[in-house]
Amino acid sequence: GQQVMQIPQYQHVQEGEDFTTYCNSSTTLSNIQWYKQRPGGHPVFLIQLVKSGEVKKQKRLTFQFGEAKKNSSLHITATQTTDVGTYFCAGRDKRGYQKVTFGIGTKLQVIP
Amino acid sequence: GAVVSQHPSWVICKSGTSVKIECRSLDFQATTMFWYRQFPKQSLMLMATSNEGSKATYEQGVEKDKFLINHASLTLSTLTVTSAHPEDSSFYICSAAGLLDSPLHFGNGTRLTVT
Repeated sequence: GQQVMQIPQYQHVQEGEDFTTYCNSSTTLSNIQWYKQRPGGHPVFLIQLVKSGEVKKQKRLTFQFGEAKKNSSLHITATQTTDVGTYFCAGRDKRGYQKVTFGIGTKLQVIP
Repeated sequence: GAVVSQHPSWVICKSGTSVKIECRSLDFQATTMFWYRQFPKQSLMLMATSNEGSKATYEQGVEKDKFLINHASLTLSTLTVTSAHPEDSSFYICSAAGLLDSPLHFGNGTRLTVT
C-alpha cells in the first residue's frame, strides 16, 4: 500500500532560524496536503498542492510539490514561537479518492 | 471555512462499558468521514472510512465489532467503542470531506480514558 515518509520527526530551532520538513511518497500522488497540529489540538488544514512542480507561499511558509509528484516540502522562514506544533503532510494517491495517507509528522519546537 | 463538530471532547469510562462519539459537519455535506486514532507523540492512524448510507471500510487490524461506525446522514457519523478496555484509551479524531479531492476538515477530537 501507499506509504508516506516524513523527516525529520523532531526539530528544535532558535527563534529566527529557518525550518524545513520533507515528505516522500512511495507512489505518485494526485495531490498533497499539509496540516498543522498545535499541542492538545486537532490538525488544521494549511494548503493543498496539485500540480507538478507547484510552489505556494503563505507569508513565511513555502510549500513545494516535486516534479514527479512524489515528494513535497514545507519551509518556514524566520521561525516564530507561534510556529510551534506538529506539521503533517498527507498524500492522496488517486484523483477523486477521498482517503489520504498521513506522514508521521514533524514536531517543531522554537526556542525563544 | 468548513466546520466539523466532534462530541464529546473528553470522556472517562469504566472498563467494559461502551462510548459513543459523534462527528457532525455543520455547514457542508460530508460525503465521506474518516475516523483516526492518535497515540501520544504519534501520527494519525486511519481506523475506518465512512460513507453515508453504506458500511464503513475498516483499515487492517481494526476490529469492526469493537469500533462500530454509523454514517446515517451526510452530516453525521458516529463511532462507538464497545466494551472499552484501558488499551482503548487514546485520542480519537474524525474528519470530513465534501467535494472530491477537497481537503479534510477535522473535529476537535475526543480524549477517551478507560479506567
